[in-house]
Amino acid sequence: NAGVTQTPKFQVLKTGQSMTLQCAQDMNHEYMSWYRQDPGMGLRLIHYSVGAGITDQGEVPNGYNVSRSTTEDFPLRLLSAAPSQTSVYFCASSYTGVYEAFFGQGTRLTVV
Amino acid sequence: DAKTTQPPSMDCAEGRAANLPCNHSTISGNEYVYWYRQIHSQGPQYIIHGLKNNETNEMASLIITEDRKSSTLILPHATLRDTAVYYCIALGEEGGSEKLVFGKGTKLTVNP
Repeated sequence: NAGVTQTPKFQVLKTGQSMTLQCAQDMNHEYMSWYRQDPGMGLRLIHYSVGAGITDQGEVPNGYNVSRSTTEDFPLRLLSAAPSQTSVYFCASSYTGVYEAFFGQGTRLTVV
Repeated sequence: DAKTTQPPSMDCAEGRAANLPCNHSTISGNEYVYWYRQIHSQGPQYIIHGLKNNETNEMASLIITEDRKSSTLILPHATLRDTAVYYCIALGEEGGSEKLVFGKGTKLTVNP
């Protein structure tokens, strides 16, 4: 079982560049979420989706876009990277109404 | 969702039981207590959850007081691989992975 797969694992971007962080799950989960984690801080929710075609903002959505065209995939797009977006990004998925979430291994992003 | 309070750090000797406390004095009747852990640089991992009764699985036991104002996660025979940050989260029945709000947790260090 693959679970939640995030790619890439590491990425360095220059300020102003755009990129997409990929997240895929093979458990047929309705819920998918993106979190970021900065040093010494807990995970903060960026965007989430309760099913294909439905997305909503979390706690820190600015600078990020998401879409959910399939149940399996939930990509996170950075339109114009900024140094403040240097962080570790985690994708998670779960069934509706269940908080046993499965997390990916993270993408470590550095914006220079 | 109820706020939880955890000690910032704890130490435990390898092979001994690790007892991690969590205070959730404002928890409401339909809120579950969830425990996650995050081993350095990895994505958070679900451990266990409970409502009223004590729960046990292959990873840990969860003891919830009768008044439900506090709980204890027990790792019966801690190993060095259990060194991690442990998060206690109180949640109601709606939503999914997007409802997980991670505080600072307890940094558990298992010593040889």
